[in-house]
Amino acid sequence: EAAVTQSPRNKVAVTGGKVTLSCNQTNNHNNMYWYRQDTGHGLRLIHYSYGAGSTEKGDIPDGYKASRPSQENFSLILELATPSQTSVYFCASGVPGGGNAEQFFGPGTRLTVL
Amino acid sequence: EQQVQQSPASLVLQEAENAELQCSFSIFTNQVQWFYQRPGGRLVSLLYNPSGTKQSGRLTSTTVIKERRSSLHISSSQITDSGTYLCAMDDDTNAYKVIFGKGTHLHVLP
Repeated sequence: EAAVTQSPRNKVAVTGGKVTLSCNQTNNHNNMYWYRQDTGHGLRLIHYSYGAGSTEKGDIPDGYKASRPSQENFSLILELATPSQTSVYFCASGVPGGGNAEQFFGPGTRLTVL
Repeated sequence: EQQVQQSPASLVLQEAENAELQCSFSIFTNQVQWFYQRPGGRLVSLLYNPSGTKQSGRLTSTTVIKERRSSLHISSSQITDSGTYLCAMDDDTNAYKVIFGKGTHLHVLP
């Protein structure tokens, strides 16, 4: 069974602070994704990666950075957290590109920025 | 802008009733995926159905490409089916990306 884990599961941060969300997958998938989910907006793509060392901007990348140091790990970094970044963040891994929409999701991280 | 529309936005059923969820796409797609999400939980892949009809247990998905729509039928609903159902399609402009609908919130009552 594909496995995607995230840490921390819950995080409270202060405005202006740095936050790092971590994701690990044991699927050996090339593609990894970071989404945020908000009521009324659904799932929105922040950054994605198609392999170790690569990061690409998604649909809402402003205020976020990403890092993919290895096949297994993909991090999302908020250098200067703001209250508007309060949300639930999901990491996912997926099979290689070419149109396959199948993705495997982590359990999510609930981030609150005060 | 490519979009995925889901209907209804919410649905309330009595246990054992059947549910029919709809998904329509702004463009032609050959990659359709249905997901389930329990409140506060992760998205779980239910069915990958690019075309035709696919079944998994009590779930049946029918995708009609030329009509740009897909449906998910849940038979004999159970209380544990409550949650949000999302459909997704591939992004026509980027092979690595997927576009999600906003979901149908299903509540199954005893």
